[in-house]
Amino acid sequence: GENVEQHPSTLSVQEGDSAVIKCTYSDSASNYFPWYKQELGKRPQLIIDIRSNVGEKKDQRIAVTLNKTAKHFSLHITETQPEDSAVYFCAASDNNAGNMLTFGGGTRLMVKP
Amino acid sequence: EAGVAQSPRYKIIEKRQSVAFWCNPISGHATLYWYQQILGQGPKLLIQFQNNGVVDDSQLPKDRFSAERLKGVDSTLKIQPAKLEDSAVYLCASSLAGVNTQYFGPGTRLTVL
Repeated sequence: GENVEQHPSTLSVQEGDSAVIKCTYSDSASNYFPWYKQELGKRPQLIIDIRSNVGEKKDQRIAVTLNKTAKHFSLHITETQPEDSAVYFCAASDNNAGNMLTFGGGTRLMVKP
Repeated sequence: EAGVAQSPRYKIIEKRQSVAFWCNPISGHATLYWYQQILGQGPKLLIQFQNNGVVDDSQLPKDRFSAERLKGVDSTLKIQPAKLEDSAVYLCASSLAGVNTQYFGPGTRLTVL
């Protein structure tokens, strides 16, 4: 089955700096890679996703890059703000095999004002 | 658009007792997922339904966990008997058939004493 590793487990940045979170996956058949943000006690919320036919995707201050050859993908947050503080999860799935998501272990991002 | 609804939000039980969780997906979403999220970890898929049929339940501990989605809409997840290690947040998610994007409910936080 799929295995997703996520690093770092915690990340502390100064407001305005950039943050990068990295994930690797094991199943070369995986073709969909979402990122979820989970604030304390709340539901995971999708913030951006990328499919295997795309190398990079941006949405305002958030971007995701995918390297299928190396089987890794990354989340980039620029100009971080205190409200970006949360736990971020990457995930991977093969949408030819039921869209089941395998999640990474999470990264706790702390943005210091 | 109403989101995924779950109840109860919190549940405390003694070990060896039974417990049931309820989920109402977003209207029109044929696919429903139950995840277990242990504190400090990413969500782990327990079972996936497509309408009222099971797509994957390979990670469901079937000796104590059961789930059903009788009319292809609401779903219940049951644990009988509960163990200490079942303490976690149980998340329900739904998606349109064949579409990757999953929307999560607020979860049920289970504490087993």
